[in-house]
Amino acid sequence: NAGVTQTPKFQVLKTGQSMTLQCAQDMNHNSMYWYRQDPGMGLRLIYYSASEGTTDKGEVPNGYNVSRLNKREFSLRLESAAPSQTSVYFCASSEVRDTQYFGPGTRLTVL
Amino acid sequence: QQQVKQSPQSLIVQKGGIPIINCAYENTAFDYFPWYQQFPGKGPALLIAIRPDVSEKKEGRFTISFNKSAKQFSLHIMDSQPGDSATYFCAASMAGFQKLVFGTGTRLLVSP
Repeated sequence: NAGVTQTPKFQVLKTGQSMTLQCAQDMNHNSMYWYRQDPGMGLRLIYYSASEGTTDKGEVPNGYNVSRLNKREFSLRLESAAPSQTSVYFCASSEVRDTQYFGPGTRLTVL
Repeated sequence: QQQVKQSPQSLIVQKGGIPIINCAYENTAFDYFPWYQQFPGKGPALLIAIRPDVSEKKEGRFTISFNKSAKQFSLHIMDSQPGDSATYFCAASMAGFQKLVFGTGTRLLVSP
């Protein structure tokens, strides 16, 4: 089992460019999450999907969109990147709330 | 009310010491309190968790102490080792919600 995989690992964008961060899990989990991690801010929830076909906003959804493509895949899209979106992005999945399994992260820099 | 406040922001201890990381919450509906450990360049991973029906839980060298009346919980690492150097996050959640609310993290350095 690969667990939770994320692509790409690193990305540099210019202000205004768009990109999609990909996430996939092979644990047959119903719930998937996108977080951003910034120094001193901890992990902040951007969007989550409690089950296939549903998505909900988290704490910091502005500037992002998500798609739950199927049970395995949950993508995060930045339509017009801004320097404030420079961060490390983590995808996670869970079957029950007790344990979330995190991917290795995507380090994004917006110039 | 959805916040979990974590302290300290960073901590340095010598090998064998007992670092203590504290978290506090306001929402009494929280009923599950996990701790996640994150090594540099990796995603966080569940370390240990507690529910409010017990005051303490131990797993190896890691102990969670829980004070329901004070709405506080803490992580203790006994006989700390350099390999314990990582960032630690406390979190909380409530029944019926899949979301976790994370603290801001504590960067722990255990010196040899």
